[in-house]
Amino acid sequence: DTEVTQTPKHLVMGMTNKKSLKCEQHMGHRAMYWYKQKAKKPPELMFVYSYEKLSINESVPSRFSPECPNSSLLNLHLHALQPEDSALYLCASSPGARTLQETQYFGPGTRLLVL
Amino acid sequence: GIQVEQSPPDLILQEGANSTLRCNFSDSVNNLQWFHQNPWGQLINLFYIPSGTKQNGRLSATTVATERYSLLYISSSQTTDSGVYFCAGMSGGYNKLIFGAGTRLAVHP
Repeated sequence: DTEVTQTPKHLVMGMTNKKSLKCEQHMGHRAMYWYKQKAKKPPELMFVYSYEKLSINESVPSRFSPECPNSSLLNLHLHALQPEDSALYLCASSPGARTLQETQYFGPGTRLLVL
Repeated sequence: GIQVEQSPPDLILQEGANSTLRCNFSDSVNNLQWFHQNPWGQLINLFYIPSGTKQNGRLSATTVATERYSLLYISSSQTTDSGVYFCAGMSGGYNKLIFGAGTRLAVHP
């Protein structure tokens, strides 16, 4: 099973709302990632968790708050977002033993629209 | 960080045609992947190929690490091959996958 699941598939939120994106994998992977993809652009890394600890934050604004409650689950908490944050948010995972030499597996993404 | 260049940016094919997509890297990479993003946004792994040649059905890929490029071959293209093809690489000790801008492929019946 090489599946990464993400919920919700679509999300519309106002600039004052608080919402969360959820990502789950049951492959025993120990590295998990959040990417942001704007229309007609490639994915850009936001955060990396390795063994449930935040290892990379690509200078992401604090209105995005990641959380890794356990090795299978990754959340992205959203608060006071701006319309320019509208994008496809992709979660990925990899085995985590040798992260530089591993395949990353992506979920289907959450399409976020901020009004 | 490394720069990743993909060519061509756009490609239109008739069903059944063959094509070659190219990915150039500004520095040596120790992780190189090819992905297909379908029209619904799902990124699908095609190959993990930091060096050498691999084949999977109608798709094959070759990476020449010493010359810092990788090629993706699509043979007998089908309409379901349409979408965006990304290559992505990782370099040095930083655990960050850098994506190219993609090749947008449209296969017409």
